[in-house]
Amino acid sequence: DAGVTQSPTHLIKTRGQHVTLRCSPISGHKSVSWYQQVLGQGPQFIFQYYEKEERGRGNFPDRFSARQFPNYSSELNVNALLLGDSALYLCASTTSGGLSSYEQYFGPGTRLTVT
Amino acid sequence: GENVEQHPSTLSVQEGDSAVIKCTYSDSASNYFPWYKQELGKGPQLIIDIRSNVGEKKDQRIAVTLNKTAKHFSLHITETQPEDSAVYFCAASKAGRRALTFGSGTRLQVQP
Repeated sequence: DAGVTQSPTHLIKTRGQHVTLRCSPISGHKSVSWYQQVLGQGPQFIFQYYEKEERGRGNFPDRFSARQFPNYSSELNVNALLLGDSALYLCASTTSGGLSSYEQYFGPGTRLTVT
Repeated sequence: GENVEQHPSTLSVQEGDSAVIKCTYSDSASNYFPWYKQELGKGPQLIIDIRSNVGEKKDQRIAVTLNKTAKHFSLHITETQPEDSAVYFCAASKAGRRALTFGSGTRLQVQP
């Protein structure tokens, strides 16, 4: 079975631009979470979506937004890019958004560089 | 919010030795504690997890222990092999909060 897939693998953008990152969860998984991993640090939670609804949000500015589609894939959008947005953006999928579900399986990430 | 501290930041062992990585958490309501292995250029890979109703869990050469009273949990790797070399992250979450809070990572190097 295919794992979590993300696209693109790498991306270079200029300050002030907008970026869209994409994620497809493991087949049968209905929940997607997004994390930002700055070099040398642990991942930080940005969003979780389940059944197209936002179920959790981390401490990130409104420049960050996301959505989930009927096929459970998801997009992360970042507006007005700053140099500090340079990071590895990780997508994780979970079987459901219920309180009893915990295991999160990560994709390979999208490496975003802002110049 | 939850805070997870992880030690050591780097760990070098000889092949065949054991490795231990320790984490502490701040929120006593946390009840799920996974460990991830991240190799260069890849996403984190879930290697083992433990829930708060269990004190220890083993999977072949890997084990995790949890002390709820002290709010700390540890990863134990026995008979280390060069392919165990990677960055390991601990994390914590709780029912009703869907986010994982990660530690800062431990770079494990297994010398052949």
